[in-house]
Amino acid sequence: AQSVAQPEDQVNVAEGNPLTVKCTYSVSGNPYLFWYVQYPNRGLQFLLKYITGDNLVKGSYGFEAEFNKSQTSFHLKKPSALVSDSALYFCAVRDIAPNYQLIWGAGTKLIIKP
Amino acid sequence: EADIYQTPRYLVIGTGKKITLECSQTMGHDKMYWYQQDPGMELHLIHYSYGVNSTEKGDLSSESTVSRIRTEHFPLTLESARPSHTSQYLCASTLAGTNTGELFFGEGSRLTVL
Repeated sequence: AQSVAQPEDQVNVAEGNPLTVKCTYSVSGNPYLFWYVQYPNRGLQFLLKYITGDNLVKGSYGFEAEFNKSQTSFHLKKPSALVSDSALYFCAVRDIAPNYQLIWGAGTKLIIKP
Repeated sequence: EADIYQTPRYLVIGTGKKITLECSQTMGHDKMYWYQQDPGMELHLIHYSYGVNSTEKGDLSSESTVSRIRTEHFPLTLESARPSHTSQYLCASTLAGTNTGELFFGEGSRLTVL
């Protein structure tokens, strides 16, 4: 069965430092991978996706993610964290045919401290 | 900003009441989804639709029902609300045929059943 794991419930980073939010996956075939962000009391917003091509994917708000096939990981990164990046981050993988629904990780709370 | 709207944003009701959560999108998307999310937790798919007159149950068993009479409208109904239905409900949509997983979310409806 396809699955995705976010091993950290919470990540704390000082403002200006680089941040990493981890995600690992298990799928049959080539993975379609996604990151979404959820600000307090809001819906989710799409950040970026990996379907094929370069292993480093750039997305919204200065975020990027690195696809690593050998480690089955898709970690979210940002070179310099902002306090406004504090939010809940979800990793997701697309299920296989014919379902194609997104399978979601449990989410990681990112806290950026001034 | 995504053009997908949910009402009400917040609702507090008593046990046994019938409620309908509204979701509308102006993007012409064929695929629409309802997710249930406990605060700060992962998303669970409860219903989805691939177009008018198409509705399917998701992975999470739910006592709610949905309808899709118009492309832009995907309401969710609870005939008799119970405290166990207390949660946040997120509506999302995407273009049919893309299968790329990029969903547009509404801001959510937070339901509290007393």
